[in-house]
Amino acid sequence: KNEVEQSPQNLTAQEGEFITINCSYSVGISALHWLQQHPGGGIVSLFMLSSGKKKHGRLIATINIQEKHSSLHITASHPRDSAVYICAVSRGGSQGNLIFGKGTKLSVKP
Amino acid sequence: ETGVTQSPTHLIKTRGQQVTLRCSSQSGHNTVSWYQQALGQGPQFIFQYYREEENGRGNFPPRFSGLQFPNYSSELNVNALELDDSALYLCASSLGRNSYNEQFFGPGTRLTVL
Repeated sequence: KNEVEQSPQNLTAQEGEFITINCSYSVGISALHWLQQHPGGGIVSLFMLSSGKKKHGRLIATINIQEKHSSLHITASHPRDSAVYICAVSRGGSQGNLIFGKGTKLSVKP
Repeated sequence: ETGVTQSPTHLIKTRGQQVTLRCSSQSGHNTVSWYQQALGQGPQFIFQYYREEENGRGNFPPRFSGLQFPNYSSELNVNALELDDSALYLCASSLGRNSYNEQFFGPGTRLTVL
């Protein structure tokens, strides 16, 4: 079993829909990251959070430390949101490497 | 302030060859992490360098090696290439080695091994 699991693996939505991507992890963490990867391959960090909720524009990320679960929400989705969304965790300590989920491929249709 | 850059963008090699991939970290960042991303998978941690010293390694064989230079740029070397080494190789730089430091990713190098 992977240490970081995401669902769904693939998601197709119509423009304007509210989208939720889920992430569960099985290890102790110091922070959870939500990242966006476009077809070219480059990865952009969306959020880094260790508790509660963060919001940036139409994106909202929440984390429940007790349940070891996080969600990424996209409100009023748009075709330009189409990308792979990846959840990753950092374990803490003096080694900051990330442990990644497999990603959720989101396609938003106009 | 320039972001993280990687070279080359794409590379084709044959089995048994050696390859060197390069990464220039973001200005002011002293830590570089390397990741391998196979098609359809999430990235896997290869190793991390902090101030020119290796600071942790993932489950990769010794033919994957690295360097970090005084200007904090980094190289990933892979010897005796295998078909399964075909992947996107990502580097990420950060202000420090601790887990609370946000990592900034380069665009990646896509390696194809034939």
